[in-house]
Amino acid sequence: KAGVTQTPRYLIKTRGQQVTLSCSPISGHRSVSWYQQTPGQGLQFLFEYFSETQRNKGNFPGRFSGRQFSNSRSEMNVSTLELGDSALYLCASSLGGVNTGELFFGEGSRLTVL
Amino acid sequence: DQQVKQNSPSLSVQEGRISILNCDYTNSMFDYFLWYKKYPAEGPTFLISISSIKDKNEDGRFTVFLNKSAKHLSLHIVPSQPGDSAVYFCAALSAGAQKLVFGQGTRLTINP
Repeated sequence: KAGVTQTPRYLIKTRGQQVTLSCSPISGHRSVSWYQQTPGQGLQFLFEYFSETQRNKGNFPGRFSGRQFSNSRSEMNVSTLELGDSALYLCASSLGGVNTGELFFGEGSRLTVL
Repeated sequence: DQQVKQNSPSLSVQEGRISILNCDYTNSMFDYFLWYKKYPAEGPTFLISISSIKDKNEDGRFTVFLNKSAKHLSLHIVPSQPGDSAVYFCAALSAGAQKLVFGQGTRLTINP
């Protein structure tokens, strides 16, 4: 059974640019949630999509957005990048959703903003 | 506002001894708690969980204890092995919020 796949694994951008990250969940999983990992802050919840609908959202500015397609693949977009957006972005898939607690994470996309 | 806190950024334990990782939370609505383990260059993997109706859950070398009155949970690893060296995240869930809140993580190093 293939795991959660995130692309790209590494990317470098400059301030002001925008970036799109992709996540392919485990086959059959309808929930995809996104997290930002930074040193000292741990994993911070960005949003969850379930069956193409955003089900919940964390406390991030509107520059962070996402969507989910009918095949459950999800994309996350960050516009007008800031230095503080440098982080590891993780997505997780789940059969029933974040409220089941048991998530399967991808390896992450490491974003560096210069 | 950090609702889930892991106050020890790092912990070093000798192989064979007990490792105890701690986690505190502030939101009394949390009713389900989990521990995840993360190796470098990999995503976190689920380790063990506990419901608020229990005070202990055991799975092999791993035991999680929950003290609801103190809003504190801990993960015990006995005996500790070199492969346990990783970053451990505790996480809390309240069913109504549909949001998993993670702590900052504790880096555990097991020394031979």
